[in-house]
This record gives sequence, structure tokens and C-alpha cells, in this order.
Amino acid sequence: NAGVTQTPKFRVLKTGQSMTLLCAQDMNHEYMYWYRQDPGMGLRLIHYSVGEGTTAKGEVPDGYNVSRLKKQNFLLGLESAAPSQTSVYFCASSYFLRGSEAFFGQGTRLTVV
Amino acid sequence: EDKVVQSPLSLVVHEGDTVTLNCSYEVTNFRSLLWYKQEKKAPTFLFMLTSSGIEKKSGRLSSILDKKELFSILNITATQTGDSAVYLCAVDNYGQNFVFGPGTRLSVLP
Repeated sequence: NAGVTQTPKFRVLKTGQSMTLLCAQDMNHEYMYWYRQDPGMGLRLIHYSVGEGTTAKGEVPDGYNVSRLKKQNFLLGLESAAPSQTSVYFCASSYFLRGSEAFFGQGTRLTVV
Repeated sequence: EDKVVQSPLSLVVHEGDTVTLNCSYEVTNFRSLLWYKQEKKAPTFLFMLTSSGIEKKSGRLSSILDKKELFSILNITATQTGDSAVYLCAVDNYGQNFVFGPGTRLSVLP
């Protein structure tokens, strides 16, 4: 029972490079989220999706794009990485029709140099 | 703007002590309040609270919600070093988002 799986777990990028983080869930959840976590700031929402083919901006969306072509996958893209995007990124998913907790992936530690 | 505030932000206790962590919130559409424990990796789920006054309990941990005063507390009794972690409070605003507080960093010394 995989739950929520994120890849990669670690990555170092040079300023200006691009990359995509992949999140996959096998629980048939409608909602998926991308958060970033910085020291002392809790989890801040980047983008979220309420279903296949839909995305919406969260609290800190600048510099990121997302896509949800399949219900089970939610991709987070950085087109031109900046040092300010050095952070730990968490993907999460949840049910919509009934309240539930958010289920988290194991996180991706990204360093932009 | 939806907001979750936690206090204290940091706490150091000795094994065997009892601690109370606080969470207050302001959100437009409240569905539930959740507590998570985070130890260097992904947050792990502790409790989900939807109704006022009903205590949720799991071993030495317990939590209660007051929807009138818009806050929740998480109690840990007889603390152990394994309880050292960041405790996150979050509010589900009907699926649009889980709004997280900054967390309380708990350190339990032997």
C-alpha cells in the first residue's frame, strides 16, 4: 500500500535550471496539494488540484507551475530555479466528499545553488 | 485571510512532564482541525477534530476542540524523549486547502 509517493527525494539544481517533481497517489483521492516547508514557517500551499484537469493557486505560487493530467498524479514544475526556491517540498492528497486528513508523501529536499 | 496560530513556538521539558500545545484559528469555512507530528520527514497524522467538547485520545496524547472560541489544545502526559518533534496544527477549510500553523517544536530532555 504505497499511499503518496514523491520523486525525487533529493535534488540539487543550478540557478536557472528547470525540473519537475512527481507526486503519485493510489488512494483515489480527489484533492492533491503541493506545499513547501521552510524553517519556522510551517507548510505553505503552492498549488492544489480538486480533480483531474484542474489546478488552482495557493499562497505562494510564483515561480511554479503544476499539472494534473491523471487523477493519481500531480506534477510540480520549476521553469527557472532560484535560490529562494531552496526548500523541502511535500505533496499531499485527501478525500473531498468526506472530511479526512491530508496524506503526505515523504518530501523532496531541493537545493538551488 | 485564513490563519492558524500556534503557541508556544518552542518548548523544552524533561521526561515525565505534561505539556499543553495551543492552536487558534480564523477560517471562513471550517470542516475540521487536525494535529500532526513531524520528526525530520513527512508529517504523521495524530487527530482530526470536528465537534466541540469531544476529547480524542490516543495513549498519552489527547486533544479537544472549542469551536465557539476557535481553538484546540493537544496534551501530552508523561512525556518521553520520543515525543520530541514539531507538532503541526491544521484546519480543513472544506477541501480547498489545509491551512497549517507554524508548528510547536517540542524538545523532551532525558
